[in-house]
Amino acid sequence: DQQVKQNSPSLSVQEGRISILNCDYTNSMFDYFLWYKKYPAEGPTFLISISSIKDKNEDGRFTVFLNKSAKHLSLHIVPSQPGDSAVYFCAASGWDSNYQLIWGAGTKLIIKP
Amino acid sequence: NAGVTQTPKFRVLKTGQSMTLLCAQDMNHEYMYWYRQDPGMGLRLIHYSVGEGTTAKGEVPDGYNVSRLKKQNFLLGLESAAPSQTSVYFCASSPDRSTGELFFGEGSRLTVL
Repeated sequence: DQQVKQNSPSLSVQEGRISILNCDYTNSMFDYFLWYKKYPAEGPTFLISISSIKDKNEDGRFTVFLNKSAKHLSLHIVPSQPGDSAVYFCAASGWDSNYQLIWGAGTKLIIKP
Repeated sequence: NAGVTQTPKFRVLKTGQSMTLLCAQDMNHEYMYWYRQDPGMGLRLIHYSVGEGTTAKGEVPDGYNVSRLKKQNFLLGLESAAPSQTSVYFCASSPDRSTGELFFGEGSRLTVL
């Protein structure tokens, strides 16, 4: 029973365009959502997060949107750059997971020159 | 700026052998975690620690043991390795659990034949 789902295993985007990565969750008790980025042969690195009391959080080229009614969040990257090519993981936490992160399977983003 | 260091980076074991993965962090973080990542799946929590001398089970603890004798170190042990434990193992640390921002090591690739 996957509580956090990333339904697109991969996504290809032209350099300079917008990349939109999606994540769905089933547990309405999650109150914190995060995106991590992972390059090959490296550990994940924290990218951006959002609390369930907000619907948007922005940090430079990265914006995360949260739609609680749809149990959906998305990560927008504008403009996309070659260095953005990586695997992106969505993760969520809440009191009923003892605030341990529940992870999606990841989406591999490929930025084409 | 070492951050989180895992040793070894690669290891091949035969079924039934034992081994220990070492994680060391130099950020004085209270929380430490061991995850495994398998193809097509998100990271799954094996065990974690909320402070020196403490350990707790995560989502997939069976077949693993851990110890946190020193604040900076978190050891993951496999007493009798099985092919199902072939995976990439990631250690992470965090100052607290409130934000979900974890700092990861580079990973340890374990193959059990």
